[in-house]
Amino acid sequence: EADIYQTPRYLVIGTGKKITLECSQTMGHDKMYWYQQDPGMELHLIHYSYGVNSTEKGDLSSESTVSRIRTEHFPLTLESARPSHTSQYLCASSEFASTGELFFGEGSRLTVL
Amino acid sequence: AQSVTQPDIHITVSEGASLELRCNYSYGATPYLFWYVQSPGQGLQLLLKYFSGDTLVQGIKGFEAEFKRSQSSFNLRKPSVHWSDAAEYFCAVHTGFQKLVFGTGTRLLVSP
Repeated sequence: EADIYQTPRYLVIGTGKKITLECSQTMGHDKMYWYQQDPGMELHLIHYSYGVNSTEKGDLSSESTVSRIRTEHFPLTLESARPSHTSQYLCASSEFASTGELFFGEGSRLTVL
Repeated sequence: AQSVTQPDIHITVSEGASLELRCNYSYGATPYLFWYVQSPGQGLQLLLKYFSGDTLVQGIKGFEAEFKRSQSSFNLRKPSVHWSDAAEYFCAVHTGFQKLVFGTGTRLLVSP
C-alpha cells in the first residue's frame, strides 16, 4: 500500500490568492513528481525532483514553483492563482532506481474563480 | 518525440464480458511500458509493466497486456470484467529521461 498524501483534496479560491498544495510520502523515495491532469487530456509533468534540494521543470510550462527541503515533502506553490490554473494536481513518488513505477497520491482538485 | 495513443475515449462492457483496451506508442528504442488505473476520486495505481522478455505480462486484479513490437502496441486485456473495474485506464511509456509519458486515458464503463 502506497503512503503518499496530498492536501487539500479540494480547494476553491479567488483569483490572485497564493496557494500551496502539500504532498508528503512516508516511503523514503528519492524521486517526487507533480503532474497536472485535465479531463480528456494526458497527464502532464510540471515538476520533478531527484532528492533534497533538487527541483526540475517538467514538460508542461507552469507558473507554479516547488521546493524539496526534506525527502518526504514536496509542496507546490502558486503565488497568484488564476482561473487558468484550475485543474487537478497529482503528486507521485518513486525509488531512485525506478524506471516508471510511480506511486500516486489521491490528487488535489483546484478551482480558481 | 515519444508519445502514447489511446484511441478509445470511452468503452462500455457488460459485466462478465471480456475487455481489451488499446494502446499504441511511439518511441525509438526498446520501450518500458505501463498500464495505470485511476478509480473515481483516486490517484493512479500501477496495474502492470513491461520491460523485456516475455511479451505477455500479468498484472494485478486479473489484468494482462501483450507487447507487440511490430504493431507498436501494448493492449490491456481482462477475460471477465467486474463492476469494480469501472475506472479510467492510462497507458504510459518511460522515455529514459526519468519521465513517464501518458496517453489521454480510456474510461471503462461496466453495464449490468
